[in-house]
Amino acid sequence: GQQLNQSPQSMFIQEGEDVSMNCTSSSIFNTWLWYKQDPGEGPVLLIALYKAGELTSNGRLTAQFGITRKDSFLNISASIPSDVGIYFCAGQNRDDKIIFGKGTRLHILP
Amino acid sequence: NAGVTQTPKFQVLKTGQSMTLQCAQDMNHNSMYWYRQDPGMGLRLIYYSASEGTTDKGEVPNGYNVSRLNKREFSLRLESAAPSQTSVYFCASSELLTGLTLLSGANVLTFGAGSRLTVL
Repeated sequence: GQQLNQSPQSMFIQEGEDVSMNCTSSSIFNTWLWYKQDPGEGPVLLIALYKAGELTSNGRLTAQFGITRKDSFLNISASIPSDVGIYFCAGQNRDDKIIFGKGTRLHILP
Repeated sequence: NAGVTQTPKFQVLKTGQSMTLQCAQDMNHNSMYWYRQDPGMGLRLIYYSASEGTTDKGEVPNGYNVSRLNKREFSLRLESAAPSQTSVYFCASSELLTGLTLLSGANVLTFGAGSRLTVL
């Protein structure tokens, strides 16, 4: 079946550093979504991407929908303590199922 | 706005016991989902309901049953719990399921806060 390869699995960074994570797939997706999960909570949508090549920003977050439609990346600039959590990419096709990556766990060192 | 509400938040079961996880959404969404989250595995779809009256299997349906009671409620039942079903369960909903809504954001999922289930 379809799978998303999300990397890295975990990151340890200093507060103030920029963060980059990505998702790749062997399949084409029509929608890419990025969610964040805070400890003890459900995932919350950060950014949705609907067109190949699309670059979208939401505050300090920037995400891009790869031109091949097989990948996406998420960047976080000037990280702060509340950025800690698990970030999930998700892709969706016309068969309607949303496939999630395994997540990137972000740790921020003071 | 309550969004998606799941109960219970925590539950401990013995092997072989049964239980039902309840989920309700107040956003008038058509589609509802049950996911499980395990360490290193991400979110895996158990069952989903595209609209009231329909349910379909997801990636890991074995050992579970679901009921779309009405448009608001979607329950997940474990008939005979096993230790392998120890997990965090998330209910989610979206306005629509169809890929035709790709440009409208109607396929975006809203998640509940999760239910942590331990099977001994």
